[in-house]
Amino acid sequence: SQKIEQNSEALNIQEGKTATLTCNYTNYSPAYLQWYRQDPGRGPVFLLLIRENEKEKRKERLKVTFDTTLKQSLFHITASQPADSATYLCALEWGGGGNKLTFGTGTQLKVEL
Amino acid sequence: DAGITQSPRHKVTETGTPVTLRCHQTENHRYMYWYRQDPGHGLRLIHYSYGVKDTDKGEVSDGYSVSRSKTEDFLLTLESATSSQTSVYFCAISVGQGEHMGGYTFGSGTRLTVV
Repeated sequence: SQKIEQNSEALNIQEGKTATLTCNYTNYSPAYLQWYRQDPGRGPVFLLLIRENEKEKRKERLKVTFDTTLKQSLFHITASQPADSATYLCALEWGGGGNKLTFGTGTQLKVEL
Repeated sequence: DAGITQSPRHKVTETGTPVTLRCHQTENHRYMYWYRQDPGHGLRLIHYSYGVKDTDKGEVSDGYSVSRSKTEDFLLTLESATSSQTSVYFCAISVGQGEHMGGYTFGSGTRLTVV
């Protein structure tokens, strides 16, 4: 079965710096990969989707890369702000139809002043 | 927001009792999902639906059943609740398909405690 690995340790960075989060996966070749943000006590919120034939996608201060050879996605937040502090989840298309997703456990990001 | 609501938001129940959680959407989306979220495990798919009366199992379906008699409602039932089913339950809808695939929109969650 597929396995998704995200760094379980919190990432602490200084305001204004670029945060980079990593998502590695094994045993599968997903057609697309998604990133979500989750705040405490809330449901995850969709941020970006990147397809297997896309190397990079951007949305405002967010950038996602997808390397299907390395089986890795990197999620970047540039000019980070304290409001970016949250847990970020990586999700892969499960396969077999139904738009099913399998999620990583997430990485907590803390942006400090 | 996408118009997805879960009820109840919080529930405490006793071991062995049946529990039903409700997910309601207002936008006529075809695909609906139930996930549970636990520390160290992340979000795990319980069941999903691809249309009225069309459902299938996910990764952790044992002890759960679902029903979808109308497009807008997707019910999750714990037939006989156990302490291991204490969790936060999220409902989600899938926005778009194929070339127009978007992400999931999640509900606010139901925090279920089985004592």
